[in-house]
Amino acid sequence: GENVEQHPSTLSVQEGDSAVIKCTYSDSASNYFPWYKQELGKRPQLIIDIRSNVGEKKDQRIAVTLNKTAKHFSLHITETQPEDSAVYFCADEDTGRRALTFGSGTRLQVQP
Amino acid sequence: DTEVTQTPKHLVMGMTNKKSLKCEQHMGHRAMYWYKQKAKKPPELMFVYSYEKLSINESVPSRFSPECPNSSLLNLHLHALQPEDSALYLCASSQAGTGNEKLFFGSGTQLSVL
Repeated sequence: GENVEQHPSTLSVQEGDSAVIKCTYSDSASNYFPWYKQELGKRPQLIIDIRSNVGEKKDQRIAVTLNKTAKHFSLHITETQPEDSAVYFCADEDTGRRALTFGSGTRLQVQP
Repeated sequence: DTEVTQTPKHLVMGMTNKKSLKCEQHMGHRAMYWYKQKAKKPPELMFVYSYEKLSINESVPSRFSPECPNSSLLNLHLHALQPEDSALYLCASSQAGTGNEKLFFGSGTQLSVL
């Protein structure tokens, strides 16, 4: 089955710094790569996604880049704020089953 | 209404009990999902319904039985669970289940099996 590796497992940054989380996938047919944010005790929520025909997508302080050749994609958060503290999950979609496989998660802590 | 509503929020049950988890959405979505999430782990897919038909069963034990009475409702019937089944059970929906779609998650049911 599909495998998604996510690094790092924890990340601590100072407020205002940038944060980068990286994921690697195995299925070369994967074509959809969303990122979900889960605050403590809350539901996962989509923050940004990218499709395989696009190399980069940006939404205010959040950006995602995709390298299909290397089969990896990354989440970039600039000017981090304490409210960015959460667990972030990358995912990719198994094109055959049309179901998401999630990475193991990254706990981001933004220190004020 | 852009929410997926799950009830109950918390559930404690014994290994011989029968209980049901309920999920509801009124966004007109035609795909609904059950995920299981253990503490500090990612959500793991259990079942997918697309247009009220079961399209994916991730080899889930038969003590978990899903049901989709209509396009707005999704149930998960629980029977003879084990303590290791204790977890957060998340329901989600998406527009059509055709891929490349945003998942809308409910807040989950925190299940404890004693």
